[in-house]
Amino acid sequence: SAVISQKPSRDICQRGTSLTIQCQVDSQVTMMFWYRQQPGQSLTLIATANQGSEATYESGFVIDKFPISRPNLTFSTLTVSNMSPEDSSIYLCSVVGDPTWGQFFFGPGTRLTVL
Amino acid sequence: DAKTTQPTSMDCAEGRAANLPCNHSTISGNEYVYWYRQIHSQGPQYIIHGLKNNETNEMASLIITEDRKSSTLILPHATLRDTAVYYCTLYNNNDMRFGAGTRLTVKP
Repeated sequence: SAVISQKPSRDICQRGTSLTIQCQVDSQVTMMFWYRQQPGQSLTLIATANQGSEATYESGFVIDKFPISRPNLTFSTLTVSNMSPEDSSIYLCSVVGDPTWGQFFFGPGTRLTVL
Repeated sequence: DAKTTQPTSMDCAEGRAANLPCNHSTISGNEYVYWYRQIHSQGPQYIIHGLKNNETNEMASLIITEDRKSSTLILPHATLRDTAVYYCTLYNNNDMRFGAGTRLTVKP
């Protein structure tokens, strides 16, 4: 299993500003994933972050808006840039324990409100 | 795009079995069926997974049809704490995408 922590747990931000969310895992993992969950909705994959390479973004998400860092095998950050109220969501970090059969572990999420 | 379809919501009486269906008619041969649940905006929690055979663990049972086009998650004795959104997903090669899920409400 993997234990994942995220910082901050929640934040209220002004439009036009940026917020960086941190994700820390208690073990080394190759791949980390960032999801967004808008109010009342399911989870949507934003990007996959591999250590030592550029993140891979899903359709509808771009690096300028959601830059990701992956400096080592236990840590990643997601920045939400130039925020608008539409960015108000829960942002979740996830890792896969064993890529062979793929049990995913999720962090507690960061609840972001943009005013 | 989600590859699974589930009922939007279901109710279950406390102490009874909760049977949550999922359709995945376009599943490919190497895709696993996964079930997660999310309790009130916490991070999703793994429940169970399977490929072809039925599976059981301490939380639930997973029944997969022979053609693998649908599955059912069974919570044998639902409690109030099982009230959550249940997601049926397909996994292959580090790709996990979530559908809309089923909101299960367990009632006293």
